[in-house]
Amino acid sequence: DAKTTQPPSMDCAEGRAANLPCNHSTISGNEYVYWYRQIHSQGPQYIIHGLKNNETNEMASLIITEDRKSSTLILPHATLRDTAVYYCIVSRRTDSWGKLQFGAGTQVVVTP
Amino acid sequence: SAVISQKPSRDICQRGTSLTIQCQVDSQVTMMFWYRQQPGQSLTLIATANQGSEATYESGFVIDKFPISRPNLTFSTLTVSNMSPEDSSIYLCSVERSSGANVLTFGAGSRLTVL
Repeated sequence: DAKTTQPPSMDCAEGRAANLPCNHSTISGNEYVYWYRQIHSQGPQYIIHGLKNNETNEMASLIITEDRKSSTLILPHATLRDTAVYYCIVSRRTDSWGKLQFGAGTQVVVTP
Repeated sequence: SAVISQKPSRDICQRGTSLTIQCQVDSQVTMMFWYRQQPGQSLTLIATANQGSEATYESGFVIDKFPISRPNLTFSTLTVSNMSPEDSSIYLCSVERSSGANVLTFGAGSRLTVL
């Protein structure tokens, strides 16, 4: 699976949009981009995933560049509960059998 | 999505002993996954547990150290054997929310401290 690069930390003001970048320049054509987050003392939580089109759900939006070498997770209105480590993971959708390779992630701190 | 319960939520153990962690899912699932998160580190997959067959272990993990049982489609156990302080970690159980999608639901984890 392709590797990802994320900034180690980010601060965000409550109520503002949080834009979390991820580089995955070696992504292959059949690999998806997944985002998870881990709030302190909890297990990771799935947020969103996509292949090449932009995706949106009730939690966030995922913007993938046309060349698919990078992506941005957008939390539209950050709250204090969004403070967590955010993981960007690239993986094939099938035959990976749950083998997600978690990197170091980005520690996001939302402040009042 | 599935609800996962893990027991114990935390434990403190003595060096050389073994501890079994239980994972109960509220729906039937084909595959269950065990991950480890060492202090201050990210998650690493230990093994995949299928019902009716032996678990498949990732590189660096062996059955003698981390035996896994999967007696039915809603339950699995992970045993950490002959523990040392290096085994102090959070152990997490997870399942796929839909087949082949890599969208996983995780339990809250079992925090193990070995003295």
